[in-house]
Amino acid sequence: DTAVSQTPKYLVTQMGNDKSIKCEQNLGHDTMYWYKQDSKKFLKIMFSYNNKELIINETVPNRFSPKSPDKAHLNLHINSLELGDSAVYFCASSQQGVNSPLHFGNGTRLTVT
Amino acid sequence: QKEVEQDPGPLSVPEGAIVSLNCTYSNSAFQYFMWYRQYSRKGPELLMYTYSSGNKEDGRFTAQVDKSSKYISLFIRDSQPSDSATYLCAMSAKGNNRLAFGKGNQVVVIP
Repeated sequence: DTAVSQTPKYLVTQMGNDKSIKCEQNLGHDTMYWYKQDSKKFLKIMFSYNNKELIINETVPNRFSPKSPDKAHLNLHINSLELGDSAVYFCASSQQGVNSPLHFGNGTRLTVT
Repeated sequence: QKEVEQDPGPLSVPEGAIVSLNCTYSNSAFQYFMWYRQYSRKGPELLMYTYSSGNKEDGRFTAQVDKSSKYISLFIRDSQPSDSATYLCAMSAKGNNRLAFGKGNQVVVIP
């Protein structure tokens, strides 16, 4: 029973394409997140949703658009992919905000060629 | 000054040794302190969670928080090869939506 699952696990695509990553959590948590991890393992917050409402929107190009159809799902759509978008993208959830522990998915490794 | 500083390592130790990891931070409002462990090609998983100052022990793992020095530590006793991973510290302030992560410290336990 995977708590936070994201698909696909690997994504290889060409520059200029549009792609989506899906995330689902079955923990009943209120808050969900998207993080980007670069090659040096640094985790950077991109977006956070609490009960389907956007609460964090970091300085991220507007080619990235999150969507939360319900509180168990948070998807990430990326338009016009660029080489610099290559990274591992992690979805996470927490019971209520960042003061409660985050549960992470296993990541989506995006490679843009 | 970065909000959270963590030496990225790598740190190599022989099996059975004590591993000592630490992070320093600048924001005195931080009250919630976490350590995450991340194996290669996996997501970070919560290892230790501490509120405010003090020590917390869980099996071979001990987390310490010294708010006066703005310094947190993680100790791993009797280290095993299975402890080889990247360890990330993270912290947040009450009512704040942002979790500040360290850069992660890669640990290698040599059999």
